[in-house]
Amino acid sequence: GDSVTQMEGPVTLSEEAFLTINCTYTATGYPSLFWYVQYPGEGLQLLLKATKADDKGSNKGFEATYRKETTSFHLEKGSVQVSDSAVYFCALTSSGGYQKVTFGTGTKLQVIP
Amino acid sequence: DTAVSQTPKYLVTQMGNDKSIKCEQNLGHDTMYWYKQDSKKFLKIMFSYNNKELIINETVPNRFSPKSPDKAHLNLHINSLELGDSAVYFCASSQGNAGQIYGYTFGSGTRLTVV
Repeated sequence: GDSVTQMEGPVTLSEEAFLTINCTYTATGYPSLFWYVQYPGEGLQLLLKATKADDKGSNKGFEATYRKETTSFHLEKGSVQVSDSAVYFCALTSSGGYQKVTFGTGTKLQVIP
Repeated sequence: DTAVSQTPKYLVTQMGNDKSIKCEQNLGHDTMYWYKQDSKKFLKIMFSYNNKELIINETVPNRFSPKSPDKAHLNLHINSLELGDSAVYFCASSQGNAGQIYGYTFGSGTRLTVV
């Protein structure tokens, strides 16, 4: 079945540091890939997405590139802010019909001033 | 206006009770979902409805029963609550199977605590 593996957290960074959160996946066919962000006490928000190989999703300074050859979708940001502190979820949906979203286990990011 | 709203936000109840969580979306979406998030933040789908029809039904105890009176509403009723049901329950919606491409819109969650 489909699965998503994320790096274990928590990740603690100083403000303006470079962020990478690793994500790899296993899926049949050609899945769509997503990053969601969950701020404390809130629901998940879609951060960015990519629907085919070599697509780059970007939003709010975050980027991730769909790498089919390495089955990866790593999240990056060049300079994090305290306001980026949240839990980040990598997710996928397989192609075809009504498919559920499969989430990774989440990676907590804490940015300190 | 909140796109996907859940009520209540917090629910504390005793073991053995029956409780309901309500979800409404005003986005015009026709597909809605219930997810359970455990204490380690792991998210697991429970149910999905498309235009009031059940399309995804994961392995969930039959104490959990979803009900969709119309495509804008998806409620979750839980009978005989157990300690292990304590979690945050999220409702989400998408347009058809476009969630595969455009992602889901989530509610802010209902934190259920069973004591």
